[in-house]
Amino acid sequence: DGGITQSPKYLFRKEGQNVTLSCEQNLNHDAMYWYRQDPGQGLRLIYYSQIVNDFQKGDIAEGYSVSREKKESFPLTVTSAQKNPTAFYLCASQQGAGGYTFGSGTRLTVV
Amino acid sequence: AQSVAQPEDQVNVAEGNPLTVKCTYSVSGNPYLFWYVQYPNRGLQFLLKYITGDNLVKGSYGFEAEFNKSQTSFHLKKPSALVSDSALYFCAALEGTYKYIFGTGTRLKVLA
Repeated sequence: DGGITQSPKYLFRKEGQNVTLSCEQNLNHDAMYWYRQDPGQGLRLIYYSQIVNDFQKGDIAEGYSVSREKKESFPLTVTSAQKNPTAFYLCASQQGAGGYTFGSGTRLTVV
Repeated sequence: AQSVAQPEDQVNVAEGNPLTVKCTYSVSGNPYLFWYVQYPNRGLQFLLKYITGDNLVKGSYGFEAEFNKSQTSFHLKKPSALVSDSALYFCAALEGTYKYIFGTGTRLKVLA
């Protein structure tokens, strides 16, 4: 089945630690996205990539970094510069203007 | 600035009654509008979209949405609610070619 796989489902980060969230798609979609979801705030765009080796900052990129070395993969690194990283992170992809396909999310908690 | 608004944080409806989840938008040009549903600790699932054509759009699980250009609204509806419809619903609009603006979400609670 085609889809988007996010891993891990749950992730715990210590203060000052960098962590990387994985996002892989087998839909052959060009564009991929990372969103952060906090209660009552909806989805906020962190980074997006329209093609391989190119990506753009979204609305809340500070403290995050991404790479797009392969069409299928768009990992997100939450760096120690992100002061409030506890949230639910969603990866999505799309082809054209037909709407997103979302992964099942990663819940990141600072311990 | 372009925006999507969902004015209700929560909507309660009795099982079997019709439901409406409201969405208004402010985007330039012809709007591309979407509804998604999210179950706890899961990603969002696509329900339906409006690109052009009929103002009444039918989607998954018996949901439909009515596009109203004069009121800049795109309300989600279902004639008869099920308990299993209880979830978080998001309205979204396409901004430019690749980016979407999401509303803050409306929690639907269907009471048995």
